[in-house]
Amino acid sequence: SQQGEEDPQALSIQEGENATMNCSYKTSINNLQWYRQNSGRGLVHLILIRSNEREKHSGRLRVTLDTSKKSSSLLITASRAADTASYFCATDSNNNDMRFGAGTRLTVKP
Amino acid sequence: KAGVTQTPRYLIKTRGQQVTLSCSPISGHRSVSWYQQTPGQGLQFLFEYFSETQRNKGNFPGRFSGRQFSNSRSEMNVSTLELGDSALYLCASSLVPGANVLTFGAGSRLTVL
Repeated sequence: SQQGEEDPQALSIQEGENATMNCSYKTSINNLQWYRQNSGRGLVHLILIRSNEREKHSGRLRVTLDTSKKSSSLLITASRAADTASYFCATDSNNNDMRFGAGTRLTVKP
Repeated sequence: KAGVTQTPRYLIKTRGQQVTLSCSPISGHRSVSWYQQTPGQGLQFLFEYFSETQRNKGNFPGRFSGRQFSNSRSEMNVSTLELGDSALYLCASSLVPGANVLTFGAGSRLTVL
C-alpha cells in the first residue's frame, strides 16, 4: 500500500516561477525522500530529509518536513522546462522498504 | 560504474501467459526492490530481496514471485497474466536494506493483450 500522498496531482507553471509540491504520510518515519521521474523512465533520487531535520536545501531544491503534521513540501525555485517531470515522495516503513505516493506531474512551460 | 539494468525493456504478452523480468543491481548493492507502476495506482511495492532472501512483500497475489541470486541479480515472475498486470515494472537497488537511497533501473514495460 502507498504511504505518501502528493498534492497537487498536476501542476503547470511558467519557466522562472517556483513550484511547490506537498506530501502527506500516515505513520511515523525515519526519513522522507523525494524522487523525480521523467516520462516512463526510472526514478532518480533528489533529496533525503531525516525525521529530526526540518529543512534541507540542494541547489534549487528546498525540502521541509513537519513530523507533527506528517507532511513535507518540495520547492523548486526558478523552474526550467527541463524540470518537467513527475515528482514522488517516499517514506520508509517499519520494515525499511520504501513506499511511494502517487506523484505530482509538473509541467514547466518555456 | 554501471547503473541498474533491467531486461527486457519492452514486452508484449497475452492473457494467461507468464513473464520473467530481470534486474542487475549496481555492483556492490545487495538489496533489490521491485515496484509496479500503473497510471491508476502509482508506484506499488512488490517485494524486496537481500542475500537471496525475500525480506518484505507487498500486497500482491501469489502470481507475483521473485528471487535473488548469489550475485545479487534478481528476477521477478508473473504467472497467468491478466490485463491489469500491464504496467511499468521498476527495479531499484541499494547497498543494504534500510540504506534508504534507491537507485532505479529504467524499467520493463509489460503490455498484456
